[in-house]
Amino acid sequence: GENVEQHPSTLSVQEGDSAVIKCTYSDSASNYFPWYKQELGKRPQLIIDIRSNVGEKKDQRIAVTLNKTAKHFSLHITETQPEDSAVYFCAASLTGGGNKLTFGTGTQLKVEL
Amino acid sequence: SAVISQKPSRDICQRGTSLTIQCQVDSQVTMMFWYRQQPGQSLTLIATANQGSEATYESGFVIDKFPISRPNLTFSTLTVSNMSPEDSSIYLCSVAPRSAGGTEAFFGQGTRLTVV
Repeated sequence: GENVEQHPSTLSVQEGDSAVIKCTYSDSASNYFPWYKQELGKRPQLIIDIRSNVGEKKDQRIAVTLNKTAKHFSLHITETQPEDSAVYFCAASLTGGGNKLTFGTGTQLKVEL
Repeated sequence: SAVISQKPSRDICQRGTSLTIQCQVDSQVTMMFWYRQQPGQSLTLIATANQGSEATYESGFVIDKFPISRPNLTFSTLTVSNMSPEDSSIYLCSVAPRSAGGTEAFFGQGTRLTVV
């Protein structure tokens, strides 16, 4: 089955700096890669996703890049703000959220003032 | 988007007892997923609930411990049976409704279970 590794497990940045979280996956058949943000005590919320036919996707301060050959994908957050502090999970699946998601281990992001 | 109502939101249970968690969705979905999130950990898929057929369980999870019902296209239950403290976790249901494109997975608010 699919295995998703995520690094780093914790990340501390100064407000305004950029943050990068990296994931690798094992199953070359996976073609959908979402990123979820989970604030303390709340449900995971999708922040951005990418399909395997696209190399990069951007939404305001958030971007995701995908290297299908290397089976790597990364989340980039620019101009970080305190409200970006949360746990971020990457995931991989075949065909999308309508199929089961395999999650990475999570990254605790802390944005310091 | 999708509106997913999950209950109870939290419970404290005695070891050896069972708890049934309900998940109600505001639109029809083919598959409903049940995840477990142990304290400070990631989400792990327990099983996929399909309407009209037996649930499909992931490695390490068995039907006797986590029986699932799926009586219709908008509702599912997960039972945690014969609970032990190791079952203390957050349990979340998830769907990816066609009404929202069928790709994005939405989560219920979770059920925080503590077994004492």
